[in-house]
Amino acid sequence: DQQVKQNSPSLSVQEGRISILNCDYTNSMFDYFLWYKKYPAEGPTFLISISSIKDKNEDGRFTVFLNKSAKHLSLHIVPSQPGDSAVYFCAATGTGTASKLTFGTGTRLQVTL
Amino acid sequence: NAGVTQTPKFQVLKTGQSMTLQCAQDMNHEYMSWYRQDPGMGLRLIHYSVGAGITDQGEVPNGYNVSRSTTEDFPLRLLSAAPSQTSVYFCASRSLNTGELFFGEGSRLTVL
Repeated sequence: DQQVKQNSPSLSVQEGRISILNCDYTNSMFDYFLWYKKYPAEGPTFLISISSIKDKNEDGRFTVFLNKSAKHLSLHIVPSQPGDSAVYFCAATGTGTASKLTFGTGTRLQVTL
Repeated sequence: NAGVTQTPKFQVLKTGQSMTLQCAQDMNHEYMSWYRQDPGMGLRLIHYSVGAGITDQGEVPNGYNVSRSTTEDFPLRLLSAAPSQTSVYFCASRSLNTGELFFGEGSRLTVL
């Protein structure tokens, strides 16, 4: 029972273009969402987050959009750079200090020259 | 600034052997957790702790034990390793007031 789903295992984008990574969730109790980036042989690192009270959060080249009615969020990277090539995990959690983070299966982004 | 430190980085075990993956954090985080990463499965929560003396099960706890005697340390024990436990293991911590997890670099375990 996958509560956080990333249906695209991989994505290839040309350098300079927009990368759009998608994530769907099923648990309506989730109210805080995060994106993590992972390079090979390293631990995941936090990229950007969004609370359910917002529908957009922007940080430099990275923007996360949240559509609560559709239980869908997306990460936009503009412009994409070769260094963005990595696996991106979507994660979600609910309210409460002990809330657990539930991760999606990840999308491997390849930014080509 | 060490953050979350995991040891060992690589380990090969035979079926039935036991071992402990060590995790230490120096950020005074109350919350610590262990995840495993498998191809096509993402990151799955094994066990977590919200403070010293308190532990709880995650999504895939079977075959693993944890303890939390100090705020800094959260070891993960495999009592009798099985090939199904071949995976990459990540320890992560956070403050109870934030949702952002900080991860260690991972421990790659192979069980033959």
